[in-house]
Amino acid sequence: DAEITQSPRHKITETGRQVTLACHQTWNHNNMFWYRQDLGHGLRLIHYSYGVQDTNKGEVSDGYSVSRSNTEDLPLTLESAASSQTSVYFCASSDSGGGSNEQFFGPGTRLTVL
Amino acid sequence: AQRVTQPEKLLSVFKGAPVELKCNYSYSGSPELFWYVQYSRQRLQLLLRHISRESIKGFTADLNKGETSFHLKKPFAQEEDSAMYYCALSASSSNTGKLIFGQGTTLQVKP
Repeated sequence: DAEITQSPRHKITETGRQVTLACHQTWNHNNMFWYRQDLGHGLRLIHYSYGVQDTNKGEVSDGYSVSRSNTEDLPLTLESAASSQTSVYFCASSDSGGGSNEQFFGPGTRLTVL
Repeated sequence: AQRVTQPEKLLSVFKGAPVELKCNYSYSGSPELFWYVQYSRQRLQLLLRHISRESIKGFTADLNKGETSFHLKKPFAQEEDSAMYYCALSASSSNTGKLIFGQGTTLQVKP
């Protein structure tokens, strides 16, 4: 069955370190998204991609970067982790030609920056 | 600008009571609206979308363009309905895949 996975599921790191969160989908979706989930803010879009070599900034992109070298993966990198980036991160994907903008979500990565 | 508002952070009801989770949106075009549910420490999953006009787990939601609302309703709440619920909007005409999420409402169903 097609799925979307994230790794690691939990990560503890220190301020200033570079961290990469992985997202892998086997839906063959062109669209992929990264969100962070925080109490009181709901889900906020960090970065998104509409296909290989395409990346775009979302509403809270500062301090984050993504790259899209193939259809299946959209890794999220925190260049220099800050305590304000402690959050739960969700990856999602959707079909660009499906007629609906329904997104399918990964299980999330809980990141703690000390 | 596109915006989704869920005015209640927490909704607490007793088992068997009716539930209505409110969602209002701001969008000048023709929207595509969704309700997603997130059970404790799990991934978000689609509950329903307005274009399907379906009922899932007893929940229904009707798009009211005049009031720009997409409230989620269930006549009799069950304890297993306790979860976080997100309303989301997409500009259906653009087919960009982007969703705008509300802040979420935690539904707590008490025994």
